[in-house]
Amino acid sequence: DVKVTQSSRYLVKRTGEKVFLECVQDMDHENMFWYRQDPGLGLRLIYFSYDVKMKEKGDIPEGYSVSREKKERFSLILESASTNQTSMYLCASSLSGGSYEQYFGPGTRLTVT
Amino acid sequence: GQNIDQPTEMTATEGAIVQINCTYQTSGFNGLFWYQQHAGEAPTFLSYNVLDGLEEKGRFSSFLSRSKGYSYLLLKELQMKDSASYLCAVRVGSNYQLIWGAGTKLIIKP
Repeated sequence: DVKVTQSSRYLVKRTGEKVFLECVQDMDHENMFWYRQDPGLGLRLIYFSYDVKMKEKGDIPEGYSVSREKKERFSLILESASTNQTSMYLCASSLSGGSYEQYFGPGTRLTVT
Repeated sequence: GQNIDQPTEMTATEGAIVQINCTYQTSGFNGLFWYQQHAGEAPTFLSYNVLDGLEEKGRFSSFLSRSKGYSYLLLKELQMKDSASYLCAVRVGSNYQLIWGAGTKLIIKP
């Protein structure tokens, strides 16, 4: 059974704090993605990675960075959290090839106060 | 630019049939996905269309017309558990990214 896990379901942080969100997949997928989801806006891509140590900016990378040191793990870092980064963060992974179907983790609801 | 349009919200009755439409204007096309997302949960894969026509999978079917930039998801014999958001997404080109619609919230009434 395919599985994508995220380090926290709920997180509350203060403005200016450094925040780490971790995602782990056990499917040996090459591609991993970080999205944020806000009401009425759909899923917006922050960063993605198609291989270890490789990363590409998505549509809204400002204020975020990522790290992929191992194939199964993709971390999202908020260098200095701000209130406008309060959102649901979803991690996903996919194989390279076939339909490129994405498998999602359960999400982390981050609140920045 | 890239654009995907879906209705924001739809209401249907338990046991009935509902059709959720998705239109897209994208620079290239390499497949269209439908995902289901229950409130507070992750999206889960429902269907994938890359060629024109209807794909049936149990109570759910998905249709694609590439020439019209149009797809729909058809849900039959609606159940209360089908209350969820339905997300349309397009794979553009040969890369790994998907362009996502904002989703359609489906409310099922008894």
